[in-house]
Amino acid sequence: QVQLQESGPGLANPSETLSLTCTVSGGPITSYFWSWIRQPPGKGLEWIGYVYYTGSTHFSPSLQSRVTISVDTSKNQFSLKLTSVTAADTAIYYCARHSPPHTGSYYFDYWGQGIMVTVSS
Amino acid sequence: EIVLTQSPATLSLSPGERATLSCRASQSVNNFLAWYQQRPGQAPRLLISDVSNRATGIPARFSGSGSGTDFTLTISSLEPEDFAVYYCQQPTTWPPWYTFGQGTKLEIK
Repeated sequence: QVQLQESGPGLANPSETLSLTCTVSGGPITSYFWSWIRQPPGKGLEWIGYVYYTGSTHFSPSLQSRVTISVDTSKNQFSLKLTSVTAADTAIYYCARHSPPHTGSYYFDYWGQGIMVTVSS
Repeated sequence: EIVLTQSPATLSLSPGERATLSCRASQSVNNFLAWYQQRPGQAPRLLISDVSNRATGIPARFSGSGSGTDFTLTISSLEPEDFAVYYCQQPTTWPPWYTFGQGTKLEIK
């Protein structure tokens, strides 16, 4: 059974960089796309961006100037960095696996439990 | 950007009743549409992909239908564990972009 687990600080200072890691277990990180998705308290879901196991990435246009996503296949991990954070970046951050490539990889079939990150001084 | 609009925002029903949730896209999504369930305090769970394909382990009471811009998630007979928030989601294949509807909260009447 594939499992994803987010880790990182639960608090970030305004204007600084938010850094999170997702560890994948129970299956390979290779051959799949991996995304970060966030959910502000009491609100809906927002896709942030994805990384392919090769390292190629793509981001939401609204966040692309502040986002970096990287992958470490040796550790079965991928990571998110979001720079210049403000209170508007306060959210639960989820990592998720895209559905298998033969299906088009259009959906998210495995999710982490989520990590709450608060931006506040 | 394709915008997904879900209705109603809140649906109040009793266990055993039939639930019908709607998702309308601002333009055709070429039948690439998914539904997710999110219970309180939990991550979303994939229910339906490609409009009508149930994900592994999803009960048969969940079904999806529709085409083009109008889609429906139907729960044939509500169980207590079905009361949750439901999101639709579509991919734009190029450039890659994944958008969600704003959600429908299914609550116990």
